[in-house]
Formats: sequence, C-alpha cells, structure tokens
Amino acid sequence: GAVVSQHPSWVICKSGTSVKIECRSLDFQATTMFWYRQFPKQSLMLMATSNEGSKATYEQGVEKDKFLINHASLTLSTLTVTSAHPEDSSFYICSALTSGGAPSEQYFGPGTRLTVT
Amino acid sequence: KQEVTQIPAALSVPEGENLVLNCSFTDSAIYNLQWFRQDPGKGLTSLLLIQSSQREQTSGRLNASLDKSSGRSTLYIAASQPGDSATYLCATGANSKLTFGKGITLSVRP
Repeated sequence: GAVVSQHPSWVICKSGTSVKIECRSLDFQATTMFWYRQFPKQSLMLMATSNEGSKATYEQGVEKDKFLINHASLTLSTLTVTSAHPEDSSFYICSALTSGGAPSEQYFGPGTRLTVT
Repeated sequence: KQEVTQIPAALSVPEGENLVLNCSFTDSAIYNLQWFRQDPGKGLTSLLLIQSSQREQTSGRLNASLDKSSGRSTLYIAASQPGDSATYLCATGANSKLTFGKGITLSVRP
C-alpha cells in the first residue's frame, strides 16, 4: 500500500527558532499533499494544501508567512514553522493524495510532535 | 461550511461486544466518507472509504455505512477485541479536502 513518512517524528525547539518538517511519499508520486495540525483531544484541522511546483493554498486563519510550505518534488513537501512560539506546540500530520484510477485517497504520515519551550 | 460530529467522545465496552460508532455531517455534498483509526501519539490508519455513490463498505470485522440524505455514517465493529482500543475518526471528503470529526475514543475491556 501507499506509504507516507514524516521526519522528524518529534522535535523540541526553543521559542523564536524555526523548525522544518518533511513529508515524503515513499512508493508513489503525489502532486498534492496536505498539512494538518491536531491539538490534544481535538480533530485534525487542515492548514494548507501543497501542490508540486506551485504555491501552497492556506486555509483561513493560517499565517502563510509563519508556516512556510515547499513542495519541490513529486515525493517531498516540507513545512517550516518560523519563529516558533509555545502556542505552535502541536501534532503536525501530512497526507499525500494518490492520483489516477479510483478512488483518490489521502494517505497519512505518522505525524510530528512539535514542542516549543 | 461542513461540520462533522461524533458522539459520544468516549466509549467503553467489554470484549466480544458488537458496537456501532456514529458520525453525522451537515453538508451532504460530499465525494466520500472515510473512517480512520488513531492510536495515542500516532498518525492515522485508514480503515474504510465509502464513495458517495456507495452505501457501505466492509473489511474484516468492520462495516461502514453511509446515508447521505440524512447526513449520517456508522462504523460497525463486530466481536470487539482489546486491540481495537483506539480513537476512531470519521472524515468527509469534498474537492479532495477532508473535514474531520473529533473522534470517538474506544476502550475495549478484557
């Protein structure tokens, strides 16, 4: 089946620093990837849609200058949290959309736990 | 704006019991509905995907149904096992985007 990896699985950083999270589709090409954020006991909230070779589309309320997304290849999207603050501490999950055939389906990575101190 | 609701937030059952998890959504204009499993601190595992033209999908002890007209989906788990303990999330899909419920945390007691 389709496999999506994320790196790192967890990271602790100091307030004011930047953190980069990678999302890779290991055995398929994904022109579209999604980034979600999940707070404890809350649902996943879509942050942005990442399209290979073009600018990401951000959901309402998500600061594009704070959460930088780059989708430079068909198998890799990165999320950089710039000038991180404690309120950015969360579980970040990416997904990759399969294409071709039916049905199109999102496959999810294992998530990255970010803690900002 | 689509809203997905899962009630109750938590459920505890004895091993061997058959159970139903409910999911409701406000906008019936969906392409599909998915059920996921999430273990603590982990990512999502897709369990079942129902296309909008379908009414149900089955995989092993799991059966998911979809009633678009009433905005409801159910996940039926037969003969529950302690290993089924996890959080189950449903999500509706439209325009390739998923809208998630908060999930139901299931505990199956040995």
